[in-house]
Amino acid sequence: EAGVTQSPTHLIKTRGQQATLRCSPISGHTSVYWYQQALGLGLQFLLWYDEGEERNRGNFPPRFSGRQFPNYSSELNVNALELEDSALYLCASSLDLRGLGYTFGSGTRLTVV
Amino acid sequence: GENVEQHPSTLSVQEGDSAVIKCTYSDSASNYFPWYKQELGKGPQLIIDIRSNVGEKKDQRIAVTLNKTAKHFSLHITETQPEDSAVYFCAASKGFGAGGTSYGKLTFGQGTILTVHP
Repeated sequence: EAGVTQSPTHLIKTRGQQATLRCSPISGHTSVYWYQQALGLGLQFLLWYDEGEERNRGNFPPRFSGRQFPNYSSELNVNALELEDSALYLCASSLDLRGLGYTFGSGTRLTVV
Repeated sequence: GENVEQHPSTLSVQEGDSAVIKCTYSDSASNYFPWYKQELGKGPQLIIDIRSNVGEKKDQRIAVTLNKTAKHFSLHITETQPEDSAVYFCAASKGFGAGGTSYGKLTFGQGTILTVHP
């Protein structure tokens, strides 16, 4: 069974640009979660999608947004990039709507210069 | 909102020794507590979890204990091996048996860098 896949692995953008990160959940998983892992910090909850709807979002500005497609894959968009957006962005999927037993992907390393 | 504190931030042990990582949480409504292991260049991997209706859970060399009254839980690794070296994260959520918008979201501790020396 394929795990959670994220693309691209690395992304370098200039301040002010937009970044799009993609995630494919494990087959059959309907919930997708996005987390930001900045250097030296723990994982911060960004967004949660289930059945195409945004269920919850963390304490991040509106320039962080995303969506979930009918095949349950998801993309995270970050507009007007700032230097402090540089981080590892992790996607996880879960079969259980309660979020038990997340499976994470390997992440997208976003660097803003 | 929920706040999870994790200690120590770094832990160095000799192969064969035991390692203990401790976490405290602030929201008494939290009822699900997973532990994740993150190796270099990889995403976090779930290694063990515990629900609030259980005080202890073991899986081979790994065990987790939960004290709901004190609002803290711990990860115990026995007979450590060099391949146990990684960053370990604890987390908490209200996912188990709860409803509302907050379930599904995990609040993570800041992580513990565990180094096991051969």
